[in-house]
Amino acid sequence: QVTLRESGPALLRPTQTLTLTCTVSGFSLSASGMCVGWFRRSPGKALEWLGLIDWDGENIYNADVRARASISRDLSKSQVVLTLTNIDPLDTGTYLCARIGGFGHFDFWGQGTPVAVS
Amino acid sequence: EIVLTQTPDTLSLSPGERATLSCRASQRIDTYLAWYQVRPGQAPRILIHDSSRRAPGISDRFTGSGYGTDFTLTIASVESADSAYYFCQHRGNWPPSLAFGGGTKVE
Repeated sequence: QVTLRESGPALLRPTQTLTLTCTVSGFSLSASGMCVGWFRRSPGKALEWLGLIDWDGENIYNADVRARASISRDLSKSQVVLTLTNIDPLDTGTYLCARIGGFGHFDFWGQGTPVAVS
Repeated sequence: EIVLTQTPDTLSLSPGERATLSCRASQRIDTYLAWYQVRPGQAPRILIHDSSRRAPGISDRFTGSGYGTDFTLTIASVESADSAYYFCQHRGNWPPSLAFGGGTKVE
């Protein structure tokens, strides 16, 4: 059974660094074709893709956050970590992770974790 | 870089009407396109992948079609529960890329 669960701080101050963890189960992060992406939902945007990491550890980022975002993984813990530097109140929202299961689309999603920047 | 453009921005319908949502790619992408539904307060869910293949558990009221650059998501006989944002998405293998459309709000 594939599951993804997001965790991290709920409240941060502007200019701080946000670090969120996506803990996955039911699949291997290093299996061919597997990718994990990060998204956020906010009052201004129904859904915004932030970036992803693939089975080889390669990253793709949304140009809007590329300068501030970093996605890494810990294979031993089955975790994918999103780091977003110099955060701003506009980064307030619910952050979600999701899996690409080898076929190019996101087939399983976490429920999300809320983050407020104030 | 592939850009996906969705139209219209908003679609206002009455229950029972048909919804037609469009997604246009800036380059040909064969059938490598997916559609997602995003309801308030809920995790997004995959509706359609590979242009026309319905994801498991998705109602046959949702139909995807298209090839190349022009794609359509049709919702036959909309219901109040269909009120949501709908996004199209493409994953390119080489060079690795990901693109999302700007979304269509169905109300």
